[in-house]
Amino acid sequence: EVQLVESGGGLVKPGGSLRLSCAASGFTFSNAWMSWVRQAPGKGLEWVGRIKSKTDGGTTDYAAPVKGRFTISRDDSKNTLYLQMNSLKTEDTAVYYCTTDGSGSLPRDAFDIWGQGTMVTVSS
Amino acid sequence: SYELTQPPSVSVSPGQTARITCSGDALPKKYAYWYQQKSGQAPVLVIYEDSKRPSGIPERFSGSSSGTMATLTISGAQVEDEADYYCYSTDSSGNQKVFGGGTKLTVL
Repeated sequence: EVQLVESGGGLVKPGGSLRLSCAASGFTFSNAWMSWVRQAPGKGLEWVGRIKSKTDGGTTDYAAPVKGRFTISRDDSKNTLYLQMNSLKTEDTAVYYCTTDGSGSLPRDAFDIWGQGTMVTVSS
Repeated sequence: SYELTQPPSVSVSPGQTARITCSGDALPKKYAYWYQQKSGQAPVLVIYEDSKRPSGIPERFSGSSSGTMATLTISGAQVEDEADYYCYSTDSSGNQKVFGGGTKLTVL
């Protein structure tokens, strides 16, 4: 079964750090480009950033609001995607989803497989 | 920063056609993607590259794009299609990836 499972969410104080994980199974993770998308409570979806596969360079791109504070990485040996979040702000409070960025025959920007999301709350 | 604009809400009766629009300056050059999100669930891709339907998505879902507007059409909307729908695309450079604000579809 194709699956993504996020973990690591929780309550953190402003200025703090948190690392989210996303465990992948049922597909060839090492070939996948992966993205993080977040959703603040009662709000819409927001693209956070993306990491390419290592064969495609393994580079990352980030949305302006998180650039310089968030870092996406991957461990293909563990089929796991990470989101390191530093200098957290109250406006980073959201459910964070990991998703495949194009998979199989789908093009990039087609977010096909999604995890169930993990909640991050930034509050004092 | 780049923005995609959607109507906040659309309402139709069961069996009617629902149309949800998404406007953006770069849409003449960039593809639109559509995501369905039911309450408490992760989003689901329903249309990619303006008009293509992923496997498993019912044929009543279709997409089109003309000029600066993309449209998601649900022909013969059903009660189970009630959800929030988000368009997604990029700016002309491809660097800014954005979702529209979302449209709440009510079918009753």
